[in-house]
Amino acid sequence: KAGVTQTPRYLIKTRGQQVTLSCSPISGHRSVSWYQQTPGQGLQFLFEYFSETQRNKGNFPGRFSGRQFSNSRSEMNVSTLELGDSALYLCASSLQSPYEQYFGPGTRLTVT
Amino acid sequence: GENVEQHPSTLSVQEGDSAVIKCTYSDSASNYFPWYKQELGKRPQLIIDIRSNVGEKKDQRIAVTLNKTAKHFSLHITETQPEDSAVYFCAAADSNYQLIWGAGTKLIIKP
Repeated sequence: KAGVTQTPRYLIKTRGQQVTLSCSPISGHRSVSWYQQTPGQGLQFLFEYFSETQRNKGNFPGRFSGRQFSNSRSEMNVSTLELGDSALYLCASSLQSPYEQYFGPGTRLTVT
Repeated sequence: GENVEQHPSTLSVQEGDSAVIKCTYSDSASNYFPWYKQELGKRPQLIIDIRSNVGEKKDQRIAVTLNKTAKHFSLHITETQPEDSAVYFCAAADSNYQLIWGAGTKLIIKP
């Protein structure tokens, strides 16, 4: 079956702009988690959605938000971009978080 | 809240030797401990996981051990091969079923 997909793969934005990233989970998976990965910082948890409801949220400012649609696809939005938001954003899907999460290839966001 | 510490940050071993990476966690209620491997430029992939009702789990050259009393778990890779070179992340699920991640270990296999 098809794996987790993320679009776009690369993005360059300017400070102050906003961005929306998309994640399509493996068919049948209802849980989608989002992570920020920066060199030396490992994986930082942003939030998790299950059946269109946000179940968990990490320690990120309110500029970071997300949502999940009825087909389990999820989007993540970052408003008022800052230079420090430059990172690889990964989503992961699973039948039931936190078990057996499958990651997408990530979206590389660069803020200039 | 849960905190996961991972050591070492870098590990260099001779091809064919064994590698051991250790993680400690703080929340005694944690009950799920996965290990992920991330090769350069690729996505993290689950390689093995263990639940708190099990002390050890093996899958070919990879094994994970869990000591709930001491609150630590370890990844063991035997007969290391060049393709084992990667960054390995441990994680622990907290009481909200959220994964808390270690900082990662860069494993280098020397030929």
